[in-house]
Amino acid sequence: QITLKESGPTLVKPTQTLTLTCTFSGFSLNTGTVGVGWIRQPRGKALEWLALIYGDDVKRYSPSLKNRLIITKDASKNQVVLTVTNLNPVDTATYFCAHRAQSISGWGTFRYWGQGSLVTVSS
Amino acid sequence: DIVMTQSPDSLAVSLGERATINCKSSQSVLYSSDNKNYLAWFQHKPGQPPKLLIYWASTRESGVPDRFRGSGSGTDFTLTISSLQAEDVAVYYCQQYYSTLLTFGGGTKVEIK
Repeated sequence: QITLKESGPTLVKPTQTLTLTCTFSGFSLNTGTVGVGWIRQPRGKALEWLALIYGDDVKRYSPSLKNRLIITKDASKNQVVLTVTNLNPVDTATYFCAHRAQSISGWGTFRYWGQGSLVTVSS
Repeated sequence: DIVMTQSPDSLAVSLGERATINCKSSQSVLYSSDNKNYLAWFQHKPGQPPKLLIYWASTRESGVPDRFRGSGSGTDFTLTISSLQAEDVAVYYCQQYYSTLLTFGGGTKVEIK
């Protein structure tokens, strides 16, 4: 059974750096056929994909936020960490992590998701 | 980036009636080597994570009722809810996973008329 759970601060000040951790179980992030991504949803707005990291340490970032994002993994701890720098109130959102995998049929999309972590950026 | 454009932004449908949501990608998401459209549909309810409904444009995820149907190919796709139920009230998103840079549509809010 695959599960993911986000953790991190609920309130961050503008210009500060946000660090979110996704702790997962039910799979290993140690091959290029598995990935963990981050997606966010500002209240009342659309889902926005942010970043992905694969088990072979390949990383992908949303072009619009690339300069402010860092994604890393610790496969031994079953964790993926997303860092967002220079926070702004518009970064207030629920942040989700999700699992993606490749099967014999090809690459799939985000089938398993965490419950989400609400982060508010405010002074 | 591949831009995903959904229409309408919202729609209100009577219980038991059909709901149709459209999604257009700025470039084809049909992968020629396997002839699959790398297009998914998600259902998102408040306070919950998004739920995968459809992948490969038309394959229902396990456990998804058959009133949900995905269709289309290339750049134009449709999600149809054949007989709207109260529990289907949600925001629906299309998403392309053809590119290594994934993108979602803007969402369509489905309500009961």
